[in-house]
Amino acid sequence: EAEVAQSPRYKITEKSQAVAFWCDPISGHATLYWYRQILGQGPELLVQFQDESVVDDSQLPKDRFSAERLKGVDSTLKIQPAELGDSAMYLCASSSHSYNEQFFGPGTRLTVL
Amino acid sequence: QKEVEQDPGPLSVPEGAIVSLNCTYSNSAFQYFMWYRQYSRKGPELLMYTYSSGNKEDGRFTAQVDKSSKYISLFIRDSQPSDSATYLCGGGGTSYGKLTFGQGTILTVHP
Repeated sequence: EAEVAQSPRYKITEKSQAVAFWCDPISGHATLYWYRQILGQGPELLVQFQDESVVDDSQLPKDRFSAERLKGVDSTLKIQPAELGDSAMYLCASSSHSYNEQFFGPGTRLTVL
Repeated sequence: QKEVEQDPGPLSVPEGAIVSLNCTYSNSAFQYFMWYRQYSRKGPELLMYTYSSGNKEDGRFTAQVDKSSKYISLFIRDSQPSDSATYLCGGGGTSYGKLTFGQGTILTVHP
C-alpha cells in the first residue's frame, strides 16, 4: 500500500539552530501539504503545493520557515532559526488533487531545547 | 470562535459499546469532511471522507453529516480496545482544499 514517507521521525535541536524535514508523497499525488500539530491540538496547515507551485502559505511564518518542492515530487520544510515555540509534530500529507482525500505521513516530532 | 469545534474528552467506554464522536463547524463554505484516527505519536489515518448530508458507512464506522445544523458525527459500533486513539474531524473545500481540523477527541475503550 502506498504511503507518505517522512524523515527524520524525531529531531532534537537547540534554539537558533537550523532544521530541515523531508517528505515523499504517494506516487502521482499532485498536491502536497505541510501541517504543524501542537500537542493536544489538531493539525494546522503551514503550506500547500500544487505540483511545484505554492498555492497557500498564508500561515507559514516566512521570517523563519521555508518550503520547496522543486520537481513537484518530494518536498523539504526548513526552519532557521528554530525557536522554543516550534516544538511540535510536523506532518506531511498528499492527495491526488486538491479537494480529494488527504493521506498523512508518520510525522516528524521536533523538540527545540 | 474556531471554525471546527470538538469536545476533547477524554471519552472512556467499555469494549463493545457504540461510540459517538461529534463536531460542529461554523464555515458554511465547507464542502466535505474527513475523519481521522491518530494513535499516540503517529500520523493521522484517514477513516472516512464525506461530501454530502446524510450517512456513509464503512465496516464498523458510520459518518453522519447534517449541513443544515453544521453538525458532523462519527459512530463506532462494537468498539474495540484497538480503537483507543484521538479522533480528528476536518472540514474542507474552501481555499485550495486545505483541511481545518478540530482539536481532537481522546477515546479509550477498556476491556
